[in-house]
Amino acid sequence: ETGVTQTPRHLVMGMTNKKSLKCEQHLGHNAMYWYKQSAKKPLELMFVYNFKEQTENNSVPSRFSPECPNSSHLFLHLHTLQPEDSALYLCASSHPAEGETQYFGPGTRLLVL
Amino acid sequence: AQSVTQLDSHVSVSEGTPVLLRCNYSSSYSPSLFWYVQHPNKGLQLLLKYTSAATLVKGINGFEAEFKKSETSFHLTKPSAHMSDAAEYFCVVSDGGGFKTIFGAGTRLFVKA
Repeated sequence: ETGVTQTPRHLVMGMTNKKSLKCEQHLGHNAMYWYKQSAKKPLELMFVYNFKEQTENNSVPSRFSPECPNSSHLFLHLHTLQPEDSALYLCASSHPAEGETQYFGPGTRLLVL
Repeated sequence: AQSVTQLDSHVSVSEGTPVLLRCNYSSSYSPSLFWYVQHPNKGLQLLLKYTSAATLVKGINGFEAEFKKSETSFHLTKPSAHMSDAAEYFCVVSDGGGFKTIFGAGTRLFVKA
């Protein structure tokens, strides 16, 4: 793969559950991203972290809560999700030395029942 | 404001024939342009990128793309399709970092034997 790992790869949860998605990058990058990929829709940027600081929140509902404890790890905490939140959630990382090139993990396929 | 348009949602070719995936962009600045590929149940993988150097960019797996400023295009080509090229392809424009990165809607490439 690309040096960006995501766990779990698949997740099924009920609307009242609380779960977390984890992303880890082994590339020495300082920026990390969460994207949502839904069927038949363009990739949607959710959050951007740069040196552990959140630099962008693209009007994401509060039922999605990101956490970035260090430059290598990124979490997405989920609670009281809706069925329309079912999607592939992709994590990516980048470094200024490589311009805007982003390296993606394999994604977590989320199904909300 | 920047945007990216992938002109075909689906492209179907026979194995051994050329591939053309079309992308048009708009940007207020000198953009960086990328093509990513996504195989089923995988994350996005960088194919190639343009960052104001040579206008003809060569990428992995025999793909290349040509930046044409006058036409605001960045079409992806390959001389001879292989079955393993069947995937979804994303054209991406960026002019200032992670949050200024815009993904196209994607083009699904089918390769017939």
